[in-house]
Parts: sequence; structure tokens; C-alpha cells
Amino acid sequence: SQQGEEDPQALSIQEGENATMNCSYKTSINNLQWYRQNSGRGLVHLILIRSNEREKHSGRLRVTLDTSKKSSSLLITASRAADTASYFCAALMDSNYQLIWGAGTKLIIKP
Amino acid sequence: EAGVVQSPRYKIIEKKQPVAFWCNPISGHNTLYWYRQNLGQGPELLIRYENEEAVDDSQLPKDRFSAERLKGVDSTLKIQPAELGDSAVYLCASSPGTAYEETQYFGPGTRLLVL
Repeated sequence: SQQGEEDPQALSIQEGENATMNCSYKTSINNLQWYRQNSGRGLVHLILIRSNEREKHSGRLRVTLDTSKKSSSLLITASRAADTASYFCAALMDSNYQLIWGAGTKLIIKP
Repeated sequence: EAGVVQSPRYKIIEKKQPVAFWCNPISGHNTLYWYRQNLGQGPELLIRYENEEAVDDSQLPKDRFSAERLKGVDSTLKIQPAELGDSAVYLCASSPGTAYEETQYFGPGTRLLVL
């Protein structure tokens, strides 16, 4: 099956620090979406960035997109214990309009 | 507003048995998705419906999996017969329109264990 790639696979930081996770994909995309998954709330959409956008903000989240490098990053500032979750990127491919998901980054925020 | 509802939440069956999952999307959402998620991986699309029509079922193992979305609302995903490798979480999602540009809203999933 097709999967995007995310790194790191796991990240553990202290509460209050910033967390950055990266996503790479292989073909031309229409948009890229970030989702969060934890046991309490399931998969939740965080932010969508279109292929003609370079940066987008939502609260403590900052997403960048570099289409020339086929990569995106998600920055969470001033992390909180509640941010502990797995984070997935999903890229909408231009060619066949399929949404390709990464394997996720597991983020642990230590109190 | 109620979210996406799935049932059952957990299912344990023996291999070769049939199993069915049910999904009720958010009211008014035209598009419904079924995904399978294996441990430590991202979701994999099984089938996507726009209203009653299955517009993308290329990843659905049609020899044992079937799905239906009657009247363009609720949907059922069935596996018959189940195999050990089918153990996974089955996720249902819905979105308001008919394009991936929109946010998908996910249900809590059904965790299937095949023994």
C-alpha cells in the first residue's frame, strides 16, 4: 500500500518545549492535511495547507509546505501534556485524487 | 452536533467467520469513507462513497470484503470470511461535500481481532 513518510517515528519532549515533525511525499499534490490521533478522541483534523500556500497557522500549530522538496512540517509550540498523541500527514495526490497517509509520528509530552 | 457513530467498538471472532461493521455519518454529509488502520501505521482507504455511489473501491479486497451505503446515509462494511490478517481498526469518516479538499470527520473505529 502507498504511504507517505514521516519523521521522526517517535518524539519525546518536556512540557513547554516546541515539537517539530516532518512529512515527505513523492508526487504532485493538491493539498496536505495534518491529523492527530489519541485513544480518547480518535482521528481529528488539525489543519489543511493547499499546494499554493507556503505556511499556515492555527493557534499553537504552524504548518509549512515546500512543494519543491515535496515536504511539510508541523510545529507545535509551547507543548502541553494534552498534545501527547500520534500525528499523521495525509497528502492529496493530483494524479488520481487519492489521499496518501503517512505512518505517523508518536509524540510524548513529559510533565 | 453528533459525530460519526460506529458500532460495534470491539469485535473478536474466529477466522473464517463473517463480521460486519456499521457506520452512521454526520447528518448531511455526502461523502463516506471506510479505512483500515494497522497498528503503528496510517489509515488505508478501503472505499469511498459519494451519496450512494462507490466512487473509489480500488483498495477493497473484493474477494472477501463488501460494503453498501443504502439511501446515501448509513453504511455497512462486511468481511466474509475473516482471516487473521484482517485484525485491525476499521475507521469510518465522512465529509460534507464530494471532494478531498474538505475536512474528514472520523468515528472512534471498530477494533477487530481475528483469532
